[in-house]
Formats: sequence, structure tokens, C-alpha cells
Amino acid sequence: SAVISQKPSRDICQRGTSLTIQCQVDSQVTMMFWYRQQPGQSLTLIATANQGSEATYESGFVIDKFPISRPNLTFSTLTVSNMSPEDSSIYLCSARTDRSYGYTFGSGTRLTVV
Amino acid sequence: GENVEQHPSTLSVQEGDSAVIKCTYSDSASNYFPWYKQELGKRPQLIIDIRSNVGEKKDQRIAVTLNKTAKHFSLHITETQPEDSAVYFCAASKEGRRALTFGSGTRLQVQP
Repeated sequence: SAVISQKPSRDICQRGTSLTIQCQVDSQVTMMFWYRQQPGQSLTLIATANQGSEATYESGFVIDKFPISRPNLTFSTLTVSNMSPEDSSIYLCSARTDRSYGYTFGSGTRLTVV
Repeated sequence: GENVEQHPSTLSVQEGDSAVIKCTYSDSASNYFPWYKQELGKRPQLIIDIRSNVGEKKDQRIAVTLNKTAKHFSLHITETQPEDSAVYFCAASKEGRRALTFGSGTRLQVQP
């Protein structure tokens, strides 16, 4: 399966600022996804990152708050904009390879907004 | 959209006993059902998966069963060990072309 490098691993940010999280996959993948995981909770899908077109957002998540880029088949970014303490969470990227249904995860970004 | 329910939320077993975690899904078109293990502070790791064209799959001490008619699937861990302690998530996906929808998770504690 694909190996995903995600950074930063953690950050503490001031409210009102923005943070961009990056994910790099070691092979070309058709599908990339961004999830949020609150402490002790399950994974909630934020959006599907589409190569060459706008991301597809899930209910409750909007592009102005979570802009996503996917310039090629190995890289994607998620920006958390105008942050508030409620945005404190772990953000994970995920990718699905063409050769199987397997979904791999990045190591996560632990975000704390103060 | 897909909805996945998972039970129990916590499970405590003695070392050597078996553990069973159950999930149900709502979308009959879902055809891929993975199970992930997540240790504290780590990313989810795939431990086993099953596709809708089979009813059971086994990998050493871990097995998964799928009942498409009832839309439920289960994870079975035999001869549990303390290192099996973690949070386990089930998930479901349609045709392998969409994101996974996760269950709420089960915190498994194996007592030595």
C-alpha cells in the first residue's frame, strides 16, 4: 500500500490564523481524503480531494473554512482557516491506491488553537 | 449516505480470551469492509478487510465475517494478548471508489 508523509505533526496556533497541512504520497493515487478526529472519537470525513478540480465537501464542512488543494496525484494540502478553539483536533489525510481497495493514513496533525 | 454503527464501545477481556466487535451498515451498495486498529497517538492501521463477494476471512488470530443480507460484519480476535489493547474501528465503502465511513470505535482492553 502507499506510504503517506504528513506534516506538521503538531502545531499550536493563535485563534484567527490559518494552518496548512501537507500530505505527500510515495506513489500516484486516484483518491485522497481528509478526516478530522476529535480526541476519543471516530474519524469524520471532511472532504475528498480531487486532482484537477474542486474538492468535494461533506455536510458541515465548507470550502471557505477548509480549502483543499490537489495539484497532482501524489500531493494534497488542507488549510484550516480563521481558526477557533473548536478547530482543535487531529487532522488525517488518507489515500486509496489504484491496485486495491486499501486505504492508508498519514500520521496525523494534532492542532491546538489557543 | 452510508451509516455505520459499532458495538460495544468498550470491551474488557482476560488475556487468552476471545473478543468480538460487531458493526452494521445501512447502504446495501457498500462492498468493502475494513477494520482498523488505532493505538494512542498513532494513525489507524488496517488489520483485516473483507469484500462483499466472500463471507469470511481469517488471518492468524483475526477473522472477519460478513452477512450481506443482514448488513452486518464482525471482527473476531482469538487468544487475545495485552498488545491487542487499542481502539478498533470498522468501516464501509461503496465500490472502493468513495471514502470510508467509520463506526464509532471500540476500546479493547486485554487484562494480563
